[in-house]
Amino acid sequence: EVQLVESGGGLVQPGGSLRLSCAASGFTFSSYGMHWVRQAPGKGLQYISGISSNGDSTYYASSVRGRFTISRDNSKNTLYLQMGSLRGEDTAVYYCARRNSGNDYWGQGALVTVSS
Amino acid sequence: DIQMTQSPSSLSASVGDKVTITCRASQGIDNYLAWYQQRPGKVPNLLIYAASTLQSGVPSRFSGSGSGTDFTLTISSLQPEDVATYYCQKYNSAPWTFGQGTKVEIK
Repeated sequence: EVQLVESGGGLVQPGGSLRLSCAASGFTFSSYGMHWVRQAPGKGLQYISGISSNGDSTYYASSVRGRFTISRDNSKNTLYLQMGSLRGEDTAVYYCARRNSGNDYWGQGALVTVSS
Repeated sequence: DIQMTQSPSSLSASVGDKVTITCRASQGIDNYLAWYQQRPGKVPNLLIYAASTLQSGVPSRFSGSGSGTDFTLTISSLQPEDVATYYCQKYNSAPWTFGQGTKVEIK
């Protein structure tokens, strides 16, 4: 069974940093690209970052480019999102999702709250 | 970047009604279009990919069509469990942009 489990969410002050992790199991992690998608409270889905299966290629939405870094460790079957210079508008549930034809598997989400 | 626009933003229909949601891409994306269902408080769930291919386990009352810039998600007979927000997403190239969502309610 495919599972994606996010961790690392929480409350952080504006300007602070946080690292999210997404532990994958039930499939060959190194064969799939992965994405981070977020959803602000009461809002829609926003694709924010993606990484290729071997980590060589990455993409960032303009809203997070230069502040967030996506990475992966295929030996640990884990995806990461390092978030810095956090702002109030980054408050959201952050989902990791497997890239296939669409995003076919999603984690349960990690809530990140940016507030003083 | 290619923009994805859904209509309507919300709709209310009766159980058993046929429901249609449209999604328009600002540039052609062939058939690289996915549809998702997100029930209240739940994780998004892939319904359809490649514009018209039903994901395994998705009820057959859901169908998708279209190619290029104009796409449609149809629920042939609305059921109470279909109350949700539906999103389209392009995946021909990064960014994999979502539409703004269509909220479906029961009248």
